[in-house]
Amino acid sequence: QQPVQSPQAVILREGEDAVINCSSSKALYSVHWYRQKHGEAPIFLMILLKGGEQKGHDKISASFNEKKQQSSLYLTASQLSYSGTYFCGTAQGGSEKLVFGKGTKLTVNP
Amino acid sequence: GAVVSQHPSRVICKSGTSVKIECRSLDFQATTMFWYRQFPKQSLMLMATSNEGSKATYEQGVEKDKFLINHASLTLSTLTVTSAHPEDSSFYICSARDPREASGYTFGSGTRLTVV
Repeated sequence: QQPVQSPQAVILREGEDAVINCSSSKALYSVHWYRQKHGEAPIFLMILLKGGEQKGHDKISASFNEKKQQSSLYLTASQLSYSGTYFCGTAQGGSEKLVFGKGTKLTVNP
Repeated sequence: GAVVSQHPSRVICKSGTSVKIECRSLDFQATTMFWYRQFPKQSLMLMATSNEGSKATYEQGVEKDKFLINHASLTLSTLTVTSAHPEDSSFYICSARDPREASGYTFGSGTRLTVV
């Protein structure tokens, strides 16, 4: 079951913040966040496993709600290098396979 | 960190021919690898789960006779697109996870397949 991502696209100026959401109608085993630049492979950002979990590094962080049905990715003080398409990948039950959302295209302008 | 190598990066083939794509885990063993297909400006669509030593598990709607997957060793999975047609043109990408690390999946660099 494909998770729902929002918004579809975001345009920011350097230094601005953004939030990307990922939701599912069923409880998830895990949520993974990836960034993909045009023509390249997705790069792993972080994984969340526990309800209520929050984690992050540098100025990118993410949360997983208590019911494990929604996750949000927070990008603060955005940099030009943050531009790309962000995907959440979700796993259900004990399955290892990830189903990806449709992606959120983030553009950071100078 | 984990490294997944995928070859070739680009391939152009004639309609009706077959193309083999390799996916290798370079510094870890992967009993499971995943194959995705991505059309321009679209999401990653899971095609199949490659299982070392056993048959691959295909997602609904994916023709297993057309997309042959072989996972002959703990570090290599191959995807063969048989009797390729122009509609098979896409970006194919594999992923695997290092079981020693508490992290997500590492993707190969992808293969851009163009069928002419």
